[in-house]
Amino acid sequence: ILNVEQSPQSLHVQEGDSTNFTCSFPSSNFYALHWYRWETAKSPEALFVMTLNGDEKKKGRISATLNTKEGYSYLYIKGSQPEDSATYLCAFFNQAGTALIFGKGTTLSVSS
Amino acid sequence: DSGVTQTPKHLITATGQRVTLRCSPRSGDLSVYWYQQSLDQGLQFLIQYYNGEERAKGNILERFSAQQFPDLHSELNLSSLELGDSALYFCASSQRLEGYTFGSGTRLTVV
Repeated sequence: ILNVEQSPQSLHVQEGDSTNFTCSFPSSNFYALHWYRWETAKSPEALFVMTLNGDEKKKGRISATLNTKEGYSYLYIKGSQPEDSATYLCAFFNQAGTALIFGKGTTLSVSS
Repeated sequence: DSGVTQTPKHLITATGQRVTLRCSPRSGDLSVYWYQQSLDQGLQFLIQYYNGEERAKGNILERFSAQQFPDLHSELNLSSLELGDSALYFCASSQRLEGYTFGSGTRLTVV
């Protein structure tokens, strides 16, 4: 059974704070790791698709790193803004699988 | 608009009934995935179709079934509904190596 763990479950920060979340996944037979952003009353939107060990991707103030050998990925948000408030999901795709297995997400709340 | 269309947005039905959820994937995407999100659960993978054929099954109950039609739209059929089937059901589509594009979901309430 594939297990994707995300921590922390929730996080409250002040506007301007930088923060990071962790996603842990099985390190064997790795194929891809996805990050999604899910705002309340909307549907999840893809942030990053990462496939190579050591990958680092960036979109504005949000960036992610990937370590496939030890089975973790970090998502960083620099200078959090209230509009960053959302649930951030990571999802794992192994070589044998054909569909993403999602973690339960980290819910970020940014206060102004 | 993500390009993935799900209908209906809301559905309220009684226990024991059967419902059909519909999904039209983004133009050009051959893969359709169905996910269920229940209270306190993450997105649980149900089933995947690729170009009309079932490709993978996840935690899908025997009371549930799905199909993908020649025009690539997909339907998820839920029968003998129970209170515990109340959830948000998402459809997503993708091209290989890209992130999934999700529809807006169907919120099913079984009473």
